[in-house]
Amino acid sequence: EAGVAQSPRYKIIEKRQSVAFWCNPISGHATLYWYQQILGQGPKLLIQFQNNGVVDDSQLPKDRFSAERLKGVDSTLKIQPAKLEDSAVYLCASRPTAHGEAFFGQGTRLTVV
Amino acid sequence: AQSVTQLDSQVPVFEEAPVELRCNYSSSVSVYLFWYVQYPNQGLQLLLKYLSGSTLVKGINGFEAEFNKSQTSFHLRKPSVHISDTAEYFCAVISPVSGKLTFGQGTILTVHP
Repeated sequence: EAGVAQSPRYKIIEKRQSVAFWCNPISGHATLYWYQQILGQGPKLLIQFQNNGVVDDSQLPKDRFSAERLKGVDSTLKIQPAKLEDSAVYLCASRPTAHGEAFFGQGTRLTVV
Repeated sequence: AQSVTQLDSQVPVFEEAPVELRCNYSSSVSVYLFWYVQYPNQGLQLLLKYLSGSTLVKGINGFEAEFNKSQTSFHLRKPSVHISDTAEYFCAVISPVSGKLTFGQGTILTVHP
């Protein structure tokens, strides 16, 4: 079974630029999560989708971050404009049912300079 | 609301010694409990999970954890560690109702020869 795919693996941008991350979850997984992991901290939930609907985006900085999951499959997370404090690893995860664990991609390491 | 507290940010041990990584959680409803491991520049890999049943759960690489409902704890143990166990370990909870996945701050386990 193919795992959660994320791209790119690494990205370096200047502050005030925009950036987008892509995630393809495991086939058939209804729930998709985006997390932000700052160095030395645990993953922080940005947004949770159930199929193509948003379940929780309470910690998403909506003035600069946006995410979509068209057709309930793959998802894109965008930052516009980026700030220095957005430097982090962005993790995507998917989950099949209400009783299973979440499976994680390799993450995208973003550096804002 | 749910939260996870990992009581130790760093745990240094010598090879072949036993280790315990501590995790406490808080939730107004029953939750599922997980331990994930993260190696450098990689995503999160599931070590073990507690959904129901026996409170002692065994995972990969010789790790085990015990769910204690009265103390709201889910401590991770290994009787004899290897150099290759050096990594960061995350305790996490999922609400079966909302599917919200919350992580602790992480514990860095360093195994010395």
